[in-house]
Amino acid sequence: EADIYQTPRYLVIGTGKKITLECSQTMGHDKMYWYQQDPGMELHLIHYSYGVNSTEKGDLSSESTVSRIRTEHFPLTLESARPSHTSQYLCASSPQGSGNQPQHFGDGTRLSIL
Amino acid sequence: QKEVEQDPGPLSVPEGAIVSLNCTYSNSAFQYFMWYRQYSRKGPELLMYTYSSGNKEDGRFTAQVDKSSKYISLFIRDSQPSDSATYLCAMSASRGNNNDMRFGAGTRLTVKP
Repeated sequence: EADIYQTPRYLVIGTGKKITLECSQTMGHDKMYWYQQDPGMELHLIHYSYGVNSTEKGDLSSESTVSRIRTEHFPLTLESARPSHTSQYLCASSPQGSGNQPQHFGDGTRLSIL
Repeated sequence: QKEVEQDPGPLSVPEGAIVSLNCTYSNSAFQYFMWYRQYSRKGPELLMYTYSSGNKEDGRFTAQVDKSSKYISLFIRDSQPSDSATYLCAMSASRGNNNDMRFGAGTRLTVKP
């Protein structure tokens, strides 16, 4: 079972601040993902990575950026937070392998921008 | 039109009832199907994972996939209050990269003691 840790769990912060949401996994999974989840809505992929130094934008346009310098770490950064960034952010990972490997999720960061 | 449609509920049943949760989809290329359970203030937890059509059983949970109808179901037998959560269906077409995963909006289930 994948262990994925997200910090902080909750963050309330003012407009214009720079924010970094942390995500770490201990299973050595190559693939990692960031999703945005709003109440009553489906998850939307905003970034993903296939391994170190690999990052791609997802389907949902996002003003955030990500980096993947280490296999276990996939932080997401907002340079200047706005109220429209208020949402829950979920990090996930999946192993490399034949076929389609299901994703395992962290418990999320609930972000509120005032 | 959304690629994946899921009845949002909420669904409320008495303890011991059989629960049926469903999703329909439009993309015939989907061939990997998942059900996740999400408790309040927690991340989605993988419950069931199936490939192509057919049934898969795991304890009180049974997942069904009907690709001809583009319809998937999750059945919960002998439902328990601990099953109260939001259930998300998810599906993917790609064999390797699964950055194409699509999720339903979730069905909120409450099982009353």
